[in-house]
Amino acid sequence: GENVEQHPSTLSVQEGDSAVIKCTYSDSASNYFPWYKQELGKRPQLIIDIRSNVGEKKDQRIAVTLNKTAKHFSLHITETQPEDSAVYFCAASTGGGNKLTFGTGTQLKVEL
Amino acid sequence: DGGITQSPKYLFRKEGQNVTLSCEQNLNHDAMYWYRQDPGQGLRLIYYSQIVNDFQKGDIAEGYSVSREKKESFPLTVTSAQKNPTAFYLCATALGVAGPYEQYFGPGTRLTVT
Repeated sequence: GENVEQHPSTLSVQEGDSAVIKCTYSDSASNYFPWYKQELGKRPQLIIDIRSNVGEKKDQRIAVTLNKTAKHFSLHITETQPEDSAVYFCAASTGGGNKLTFGTGTQLKVEL
Repeated sequence: DGGITQSPKYLFRKEGQNVTLSCEQNLNHDAMYWYRQDPGQGLRLIYYSQIVNDFQKGDIAEGYSVSREKKESFPLTVTSAQKNPTAFYLCATALGVAGPYEQYFGPGTRLTVT
C-alpha cells in the first residue's frame, strides 16, 4: 500500500520567515495530495490540495508543489504569523475509495 | 465540517469493555471514514464506507467494528480485542469515492481506557 513520509517532525521559524514542509510518497498511482492543519485538540482542516495533473498551486501565503517524477510534494508558507503555529499533515490518495494515507505530521512553531 | 458531529467528546472506559463512538453527518455525503490518531503517528485509517450497508477495512481494523445502516450514521465500536484503544478518534466524510474529494473531519472523540 501507499506510504507517506513527512519531514521535518518539528519546525521553528521566526515570524515573517518562510516555512517548508516536505513529503514523499511511494505509490506512483497516487493522484491527490491534500494538506491539513490541526490546532491543539481540534479537528484537521484542509488548507490546500493539489492533483497530479498540476505542478504547483497557490492560495495567498500558502503554496504546494508536486514533483511526480521524484514522488514528492511540499508545502510552503510565506510571511509566517503566530496563528500559523499548528501541526500540519500531508496525505496522498490513489483514488480507490478516496482513501487517504497521512504523513506523521510537522509541528510548526512561529516565534515572535 | 460543521455538519459532522461526534459524541461524546471525552469517553472513559475500563479495560475489557466494548465502547461505541458515534458519528453523524447531515452533509449528504456518501463516503464516511474512521481514523485513529496517536501522538507522533499521524492519522491511520480504521474503516471506511462508500455506501449504506457496505464498509471496508482500513490499515488498522483489528479490534474494531462498524456498521452503516443509515447514510447519516457510521458508528465505530472499539472492542475488548483492541490492545491499545486509548487514542483520539476522528470521523470524516467525503462527497463520494470516485473523486478525489476533500475529506471533512468531525471534532473527534478522545477515548481513555484504564
